[in-house]
Amino acid sequence: EADIYQTPRYLVIGTGKKITLECSQTMGHDKMYWYQQDPGMELHLIHYSYGVNSTEKGDLSSESTVSRIRTEHFPLTLESARPSHTSQYLCASSEGGRGVTEAFFGQGTRLTVV
Amino acid sequence: GNSVTQMEGPVTLSEEAFLTINCTYTATGYPSLFWYVQYPGEGLQLLLKATKADDKGSNKGFEATYRKETTSFHLEKGSVQVSDSAVYFCALSDRGNGQNFVFGPGTRLSVLP
Repeated sequence: EADIYQTPRYLVIGTGKKITLECSQTMGHDKMYWYQQDPGMELHLIHYSYGVNSTEKGDLSSESTVSRIRTEHFPLTLESARPSHTSQYLCASSEGGRGVTEAFFGQGTRLTVV
Repeated sequence: GNSVTQMEGPVTLSEEAFLTINCTYTATGYPSLFWYVQYPGEGLQLLLKATKADDKGSNKGFEATYRKETTSFHLEKGSVQVSDSAVYFCALSDRGNGQNFVFGPGTRLSVLP
């Protein structure tokens, strides 16, 4: 069973508020990812990290920011939420190194900005 | 760049029917291939994987074979159940792509009793 946790599961927040979505994993994985999932189901990579102090932007431009101060923690922050940020956000992790292993996903945070 | 294409849904089947969801990929290197499943309101779970050509991944009655010659990784199940209703994602991970995962658009499966 995957040990990767996201909080909150659901969040409804007003426009202009600052929010942080939490993601933690207990597997010691070096790589972590944030995906945005649109209503049509497609996943879009918005941020990833190779390890502590490493953050990279993904394929989809996002106004969110991330940090990686500890291996197990990869929070995503929106400084000023807008209705266009309404979506499902999925966090994932995988082992680093040369071998390829699967990604483990959290249960997701469904964000609604009103 | 790397990409994954999978058959568009939704797919609706009766219980005990045979399932095939087609998946083809484009990759510059030697990718590993995966099928993930997403149940309503949940994150993605790994269903099966294959790491090299001709490998067959299998789990819970689902199977997929890594076909390098046709760049395909089709998902099959001989007899689906109502509980298999979910969204299925084909994905690849390629060391040449920094091992970032590339996902297909997903195929929604509904199984009717």
